[in-house]
Amino acid sequence: DSGVTQTPKHLITATGQRVTLRCSPRSGDLSVYWYQQSLDQGLQFLIQYYNGEERAKGNILERFSAQQFPDLHSELNLSSLELGDSALYFCASSAPRGVRYTFGSGTRLTVV
Amino acid sequence: GESVGLHLPTLSVQEGDNSIINCAYSNSASDYFIWYKQESGKGPQFIIDIRSNMDKRQGQRVTVLLNKTVKHLSLQIAATQPGDSAVYFCAEDSGNTPLVFGKGTRLSVIA
Repeated sequence: DSGVTQTPKHLITATGQRVTLRCSPRSGDLSVYWYQQSLDQGLQFLIQYYNGEERAKGNILERFSAQQFPDLHSELNLSSLELGDSALYFCASSAPRGVRYTFGSGTRLTVV
Repeated sequence: GESVGLHLPTLSVQEGDNSIINCAYSNSASDYFIWYKQESGKGPQFIIDIRSNMDKRQGQRVTVLLNKTVKHLSLQIAATQPGDSAVYFCAEDSGNTPLVFGKGTRLSVIA
């Protein structure tokens, strides 16, 4: 157990739907990062939050959004889902000023 | 497994042999590099890191080499074991943006 908890582990949904992925960071970590892992793209950075505020944005689609709550857990919202959104979504956390990320086990999203 | 299906270069190594996994990084300003291991069904796990002011760093059975001249990073695994079978990613940090990960290499250990 890495200390980073992601739920659900698996999600199957239809095109056009909306889903929410949840992440609880490791205790003491203030930064949360979301990454997408698909067949041809490797680990693609989506977005980072630090202590409740957006810190950095990567190749995140406008249909996707995220937030980090006061208790530091984070949610990634994916809407108007398309087949191409099927992927593994990983959350990672790091300590303040830390660059060594701890990853969760991921959520496998399948859009049918 | 969860990382199976990625279209990655594959390195097949006999059990007991040494493995060398290579990575070319892109940003000459990057000052910190990390190797992660991703086993089937799991998220990436930290293996070893190195700062840009170093050329080599050793861990338990693993060694990372950094060649800044050609922007090349390598991970050497000594006496490769079946448990080393996984996808290996290098990542670079330039201090201003989140970690940028390489495409990954799949290591397959032949028993």
